[in-house]
Amino acid sequence: AQKVTQAQTEISVVEKEDVTLDCVYETRDTTYYLFWYKQPPSGELVFLIRRNSFDEQNEISGRYSWNFQKSTSSFNFTITASQVVDSAVYFCALSEAERTDKLIFGTGTRLQVFP
Amino acid sequence: KAGVTQTPRYLIKTRGQQVTLSCSPISGHRSVSWYQQTPGQGLQFLFEYFSETQRNKGNFPGRFSGRQFSNSRSEMNVSTLELGDSALYLCASTGRDTDTQYFGPGTRLTVL
Repeated sequence: AQKVTQAQTEISVVEKEDVTLDCVYETRDTTYYLFWYKQPPSGELVFLIRRNSFDEQNEISGRYSWNFQKSTSSFNFTITASQVVDSAVYFCALSEAERTDKLIFGTGTRLQVFP
Repeated sequence: KAGVTQTPRYLIKTRGQQVTLSCSPISGHRSVSWYQQTPGQGLQFLFEYFSETQRNKGNFPGRFSGRQFSNSRSEMNVSTLELGDSALYLCASTGRDTDTQYFGPGTRLTVL
């Protein structure tokens, strides 16, 4: 069975601190996709990144970076120099490569960035 | 390109009633998925439609149903509402050239 675990329920940091959100996944599939979404208070899930299981290269996008390690089944997300606007709930998700229409979500990590 | 739109944004119903939620996908996207988000259960997959056919279904009772029209717009219906159906219902669309779901703003349903 597929499962995504986000052990950190809530993280609080002060602006400009770096913060890492952890994501551990379980799947028997050899081909799959991993995602991160951001959910601000408005409720809409905002897509951040997609990574397929064959691509273990780390990715950086501005202040955001992602570390994918198949050996530990982890797909961690780091925000560098956090800002108040980063405050949101962040979800890690998993899908089979053939069934990207169905996402398995973790429970989310609420990030609060204080000025 | 306009994003995924959902109507209505907020809805209040009473137990026993039924409700219909609507979702318009991104132009050109033919797959529409529905999710329920509650504080207790988190985000759970309801069902997915492609070309007017339900391709995949989550573990929800038959009171939850959906359909998709020829223009890819989708509706979901919940009959005989229960208090536990109070949730944020999110719709997402996926295009043929992308393996990514893009979400709408959601419909917040409150059952009294």
